[in-house]
Amino acid sequence: EDKVVQSPLSLVVHEGDTVTLNCSYEVTNFRSLLWYKQEKKAPTFLFMLTSSGIEKKSGRLSSILDKKELFSILNITATQTGDSAVYLCAVRGGSEKLVFGKGTKLTVNP
Amino acid sequence: NAGVTQTPKFRILKIGQSMTLQCTQDMNHNYMYWYRQDPGMGLKLIYYSVGAGITDKGEVPNGYNVSRSTTEDFPLRLELAAPSQTSVYFCASSYPELGQPQHFGDGTRLSIL
Repeated sequence: EDKVVQSPLSLVVHEGDTVTLNCSYEVTNFRSLLWYKQEKKAPTFLFMLTSSGIEKKSGRLSSILDKKELFSILNITATQTGDSAVYLCAVRGGSEKLVFGKGTKLTVNP
Repeated sequence: NAGVTQTPKFRILKIGQSMTLQCTQDMNHNYMYWYRQDPGMGLKLIYYSVGAGITDKGEVPNGYNVSRSTTEDFPLRLELAAPSQTSVYFCASSYPELGQPQHFGDGTRLSIL
């Protein structure tokens, strides 16, 4: 059975801190790993990673995938209160279905 | 550019009632999905569809039904509502052949009392 495990489940930091969120997975016929940010409503797409070792970057957020060790990390530098959200990791295997982890709840205090 | 639209946003049902959650997308995506999200949990796939007329079960299909008569619409039906179905329901769509991620609607918060 495909599985995605995120850690930590929750994290409280101060503005300006750097955080690293972890995602490990077991999936048959891995195709891609996706990161989403979820505030009050719908998850919004951040990154899709398909190749190992390539860093995807958008402003203060970056992510890297290690296909050999079956994990990914999401880094957020110089955190702001607007980064407070649940960050979801999902993997796509042989079908087009996504398997989600439970998410990491990030709280950034001023 | 509406994207994925879900209605209603909130609903309270009594045990045993039935209802349909509506989902429509205007991006001409062939794949559509229904998820439920319980507190502190990730999203669990209920049903999905790879195109009009084709649907398949996900991880937690019991108590739900779907249909896909058009590319745009993918309604989710609860026939006999049970308290265990209290959750937030998300619809999503994608065009995986183009390498696109899933796009989500804003969700329907459903309470069954």
